[in-house]
Amino acid sequence: QVQLQQSGPGLVKPSQSLSLTCAISGDSVSSNSATWNWIRQSPSRGLEWLGRTYCRSKCYNDYAVSVKSRITINPDTSKNQFSLQLSSVTPEDTAVYYCARASDWGRVVDYWGQGTLVTVSS
Amino acid sequence: EIVLTQSPGTLSLSPGERATLSCRASQSVSSNYLTWYQQKPGQAPRLLIYGASSRATGIPDRFSGSGSGTDFTLTISRLEPEDSAVYYCQQYGSSPLITFGPGTKVDIK
Repeated sequence: QVQLQQSGPGLVKPSQSLSLTCAISGDSVSSNSATWNWIRQSPSRGLEWLGRTYCRSKCYNDYAVSVKSRITINPDTSKNQFSLQLSSVTPEDTAVYYCARASDWGRVVDYWGQGTLVTVSS
Repeated sequence: EIVLTQSPGTLSLSPGERATLSCRASQSVSSNYLTWYQQKPGQAPRLLIYGASSRATGIPDRFSGSGSGTDFTLTISRLEPEDSAVYYCQQYGSSPLITFGPGTKVDIK
C-alpha cells in the first residue's frame, strides 16, 4: 500500500518561498512507471496541477506554465521523498497543497498525500 | 490547453436514484486519459474511474464511466448516502499535462 506523508509549514509570508516535502512509503521515487506530482486546490482555482518529477535512468521534471518561473520539484532518492519549492509567493498561492503519485505512465493519479493548507499572509 | 467543463454544477437526488454527471472537453481527449475522482469534505480526492470506463480497485459497481472524444459521463446507478461528494474529471496529455474539471457536487436528500 502506497502512502504519502506531507510535511512543511502552513504559513508563509508574501514574497518568501513555500517549501513542502512528501515522504513515500510502499513505492520508490525511482519507480520506472510512476510520476510524483504536486497539485493544489483553492476555491478560486479549483484543482491545479503544478508539476511532477520522475526518475528513469536519470530524473526529469515537468512544470505547469502558470508557475514555471517559480517552481522547483526535487526528488531525493536517498530518503525516498520529493519536495516542492515555490518562490515569490503571493496571497493567490494560498491553497491546500497535495503531493500525489500518478501511475500508468503518469496518466492516473492514484495516491494522494493528506494535504497541507498553506496560507500566504504577513 | 484542454478545458474541461462539468455539468450540472450541483445535483440533488434521493437515495436509490440514478446520477448522471457530464464532463465535456474543449478538444478531443483520448479515452485512455480520462479519469474520474470523488472528493469528500476535508479529504483528498479518491480515484474512481480511469481510462474513461475502468473502475479502480475497491470501487463499487454502481459507479460506471463511459464516453469518448469530447463527451464523457460518470453514472452512479443507485445512490447511497455515502456518495454525497464532489466529483471531478481529469485529462492527461495536453499542456498542462494534467487538468481537472471544476467538479459536480452531488447532494443526497
